[in-house]
Amino acid sequence: ETGVTQTPRHLVMGMTNKKSLKCEQHLGHNAMYWYKQSAKKPLELMFVYNFKEQTENNSVPSRFSPECPNSSHLFLHLHTLQPEDSALYLCASSHTGVGTNYGYTFGSGTRLTVV
Amino acid sequence: RKEVEQDPGPFNVPEGATVAFNCTYSNSASQSFFWYRQDCRKEPKLLMSVYSSGNEDGRFTAQLNRASQYISLLIRDSKLSDSATYLCVVANYGGSQGNLIFGKGTKLSVKP
Repeated sequence: ETGVTQTPRHLVMGMTNKKSLKCEQHLGHNAMYWYKQSAKKPLELMFVYNFKEQTENNSVPSRFSPECPNSSHLFLHLHTLQPEDSALYLCASSHTGVGTNYGYTFGSGTRLTVV
Repeated sequence: RKEVEQDPGPFNVPEGATVAFNCTYSNSASQSFFWYRQDCRKEPKLLMSVYSSGNEDGRFTAQLNRASQYISLLIRDSKLSDSATYLCVVANYGGSQGNLIFGKGTKLSVKP
């Protein structure tokens, strides 16, 4: 258990479905992130929340909609996805502090398959 | 040029071997550097930060060369449990809070 919990672990959804991914961190961090990991590609940053304010949207299609109600919880709402959106979606958290040497703590990820 | 480049491997080595991974990054303003380890179908986990003076953690030694924009990881006396993908990670702190840029990773397989 890393202190960052993601649910569900696995998700299969049709292209017309709406689903949500959930992330919760118990580390007292104030920044949270969504990353996408596709086969044979590096991790891609999707969204950044700092003190529950979105500070980065890395040109992510609108069919992915993040929500951060507080510093401990992060959601990724999914609707009308495409098969190429199938990937491992990873949530991470960290302390904030420009110039600091903090790494991120990742959750176990949600393996999403769009059919 | 990719932001973080790594040799994808795989590196197949016998137990006890010494293996070195290299990584280059394109943004000369990058401020923090890490090595992460990712086991098959698991999340990445921080292995170690990389400091300018070089640092060691047991069998693992990390080096940073800012002038050449080059990072390395040396693993001595490889164990079977070291088999994983090693991700080189660079942090760029700009207008938004820390943005980690990941390499594709180098796969290591340690054989008996």
